[in-house]
Amino acid sequence: EDKVVQSPLSLVVHEGDTVTLNCSYEVTNFRSLLWYKQEKKAPTFLFMLTSSGIEKKSGRLSSILDKKELFSILNITATQTGDSAVYLCAVASTSGTYKYIFGTGTRLKVLA
Amino acid sequence: SAVISQKPSRDICQRGTSLTIQCQVDSQVTMMFWYRQQPGQSLTLIATANQGSEATYESGFVIDKFPISRPNLTFSTLTVSNMSPEDSSIYLCSVGNTEAFFGQGTRLTVV
Repeated sequence: EDKVVQSPLSLVVHEGDTVTLNCSYEVTNFRSLLWYKQEKKAPTFLFMLTSSGIEKKSGRLSSILDKKELFSILNITATQTGDSAVYLCAVASTSGTYKYIFGTGTRLKVLA
Repeated sequence: SAVISQKPSRDICQRGTSLTIQCQVDSQVTMMFWYRQQPGQSLTLIATANQGSEATYESGFVIDKFPISRPNLTFSTLTVSNMSPEDSSIYLCSVGNTEAFFGQGTRLTVV
């Protein structure tokens, strides 16, 4: 059975801290791994990763994929209170029909 | 990227009733996905809606409970039928082959 596991489940940090969120997966017919930020209802897209070892970066956020060890990390440096959200990892699979398998999410709270 | 309009944004419904959620996309797409997110949980795929054919449901979800329509390549509806408090969730529609784009979500509370 396909699964995506995120850790930690929740995290509380202070502004300025650096955090690392983890995502491991066991998915047949892997196509890509995606990271989303969910603040209220709709997840917003952060990164899509398809190749190992190539870091994607956007401002204070960065992410990298290891297809050999089947995991990805999302780093947030110099955290701000606006980074408080649930961060979701999803894997796109083309096994049978095309679909996305979502992890449980990491709830990040950044304190002022 | 795609712009997806989903409505209603939220609703409070009586048990035993049904609610239909609409999803409109600003471009033609082959597949549309419907997800449920129960409180404190991640997104669970309900079904994939293809235009011109019946939706494909994931394990644990059935057409009688969650009928889906896909009349054209830009629109889909999901109905939550005969609701119970356990159906209280956020429902999300999504499109995308490389990266998933989401509608604004519908927060459903069943009382």
